[in-house]
Amino acid sequence: AQSVTQLDSQVPVFEEAPVELRCNYSSSVSVYLFWYVQYPNQGLQLLLKYLSGSTLVESINGFEAEFNKSQTSFHLRKPSVHISDTAEYFCAVSEVTGGGNKLTFGTGTQLKVEL
Amino acid sequence: DAMVIQNPRYQVTQFGKPVTLSCSQTLNHNVMYWYQQKSSQAPKLLFHYYDKDFNNEADTPDNFQSRRPNTSFCFLDIRSPGLGDAAMYLCATSPGRWVDYTFGSGTRLTVV
Repeated sequence: AQSVTQLDSQVPVFEEAPVELRCNYSSSVSVYLFWYVQYPNQGLQLLLKYLSGSTLVESINGFEAEFNKSQTSFHLRKPSVHISDTAEYFCAVSEVTGGGNKLTFGTGTQLKVEL
Repeated sequence: DAMVIQNPRYQVTQFGKPVTLSCSQTLNHNVMYWYQQKSSQAPKLLFHYYDKDFNNEADTPDNFQSRRPNTSFCFLDIRSPGLGDAAMYLCATSPGRWVDYTFGSGTRLTVV
């Protein structure tokens, strides 16, 4: 079975500072990795994904993540955060199940950006 | 334009009283999923439909059931809600395997 570990439950950071949210996974098969963001009382929004190809993937709002197979990691980074980045961030791994695919999520990291 | 719509956004139900949550989609995706997210926890897959084929997760309690009358709609039925069933319920769709999900905004269920 696949699993995802997000070691940091909360990450406080000052505005315009860099941030890294850590994600490690375990899987016996090829992986597809995702980062989702969740604002209070909202659903999940896809931030970025790794399916294949370049190990560095980027989102439109300045986040990036790097797939590292040897370290089984998919850490999320942003060089300069904004107040509006305050949210819960979930790392997830996908596996095929039935006719669809099942996302297994980490326990989430609450990013709190302070002035 | 909302593509996966969950109604209601907030639902309060009494202990033991059956409740139904609904999800509709305008994407014509053939896969629909239901996730349960308890407070401060990761979302957990309950079950999913691939077209009309129902796929239940092994650890989903029998108290939870689902119906998909057509491509656009999917319902989550909780036959006898307990206090432990209070959670955010997330509906999602995908056009098939290995592709992105589209999540709805969720229904927050409170059991009193």
